Order: sequence, then structure tokens, then C-alpha cells
Amino acid sequence: QQQVKQSPQSLIVQKGGISIINCAYENTAFDYFPWYQQFPGKGPALLIAIRPDVSEKKEGRFTISFNKSAKQFSLHIMDSQPGDSATYFCAASGYSGGGADGLTFGKGTHLIIQP
Amino acid sequence: DSGVTQTPKHLITATGQRVTLRCSPRSGDLSVYWYQQSLDQGLQFLIQYYNGEERAKGNILERFSAQQFPDLHSELNLSSLELGDSALYFCASTRGSSSYNEQFFGPGTRLTVL
Repeated sequence: QQQVKQSPQSLIVQKGGISIINCAYENTAFDYFPWYQQFPGKGPALLIAIRPDVSEKKEGRFTISFNKSAKQFSLHIMDSQPGDSATYFCAASGYSGGGADGLTFGKGTHLIIQP
Repeated sequence: DSGVTQTPKHLITATGQRVTLRCSPRSGDLSVYWYQQSLDQGLQFLIQYYNGEERAKGNILERFSAQQFPDLHSELNLSSLELGDSALYFCASTRGSSSYNEQFFGPGTRLTVL
């Protein structure tokens, strides 16, 4: 059972364009939604995260949009740069069964920014 | 550099064998998470330890086990290995026990089962 569905699987964007990656979740117990960035040969690193009490969070060129009623959230990368080329994972977590769980990840989006 | 170290970097072994992966968390972090990354399953949470105690369990097989030692380093033991266990294994650490904290990932151990 895939609890966090991520799309697209791969994405090619021109330099300076906007990259958009979407995720949908099923478990209503989730209440923390981070995005991780992974470069080849490295572990994932936190990019930006949001809690469901806000609909949008912006950090520099990265913005998370969150729609609680639709159980969807998305990552927007403005003015995309070649250095943004990486794999992006959305994730979710929350308390269930009385204890906190680890992160539930989407399958990832391989983003290529063409110069 | 996240400050999380994992050894070994690469491990090649045969089916039926047992291996141990090691993780040292960032200085001051009490919580260690283990994840498995494979092409078909993606990144999957296996298990979490906090200050030496098991805190949460994910999709960890019965053939796999983990522990966290008094010096807070953690080991993931994989036994009766199968071809399908070939994957990247990451550990991550956080200061507290909550998954709301930023998780800092190590560079991973690539396991190949032949």
C-alpha cells in the first residue's frame, strides 16, 4: 500500500523555469510533510517542510503548497537552475498507534534542469 | 556533510549470509532511523531507536534486526540474505524522538547480494 503518491516520475525543465512536483497522501493521521533532495551518491537532505496548519510555505526559490481537504501537497521550484538537478522526495509522518513513525516517502521525481 | 557516518560504504555478499551495517549519529542526536532504498520499493522506513530503546517499527522483515548501543551508535543486522535485499541502506539521526524533527541522513551502505 503506497500511502504517499508522487508525480511525475521524471521532469525536464528549462533553466529559469518553474519545476512543479505533486504528492497526494491517504493517511489522515499525517501532519508533517517534508521534501527531501537527493544527489547521486548522497543521502537525502531536508529541503523544506510544512505542517497542515498553513497552506503555503516559502523558503527562497522553494515553495510548498498544501491542500488539506484534497490531501495533496506540491513543491514549486522557481527560477530553476542546473544545480537543482536531483531526485526529490515528498514524505509524510504523524502519530499513529500511539507512537511517532518514521517518514513515509513518495517514489521520487528525477528532475533535470536544462541550461 | 550531514555528520552521520555509515560503514561500510559497499558490501557484497552471497545469499543466505548475514551482514551488519553500522551507523554513528550526529553528535548529540539520540534518535536513529534506518531506511531501505531500492528501485522498486523506493525509500522505506525500517525501524527507529531512541536513546537505546526501540521507538517505532516500519516495514522491517523478521530476518532483519537492529539495536542502539550506549554510545548511541546503531547496527542493522540482516540475516538469511536474499537477492531482493540488495539495496541502499540509510540511517538518519535526529536530536529528539519525534519524526517532526529534521532527519539528517548518512551517505548510505550499498548492499549487493549475489
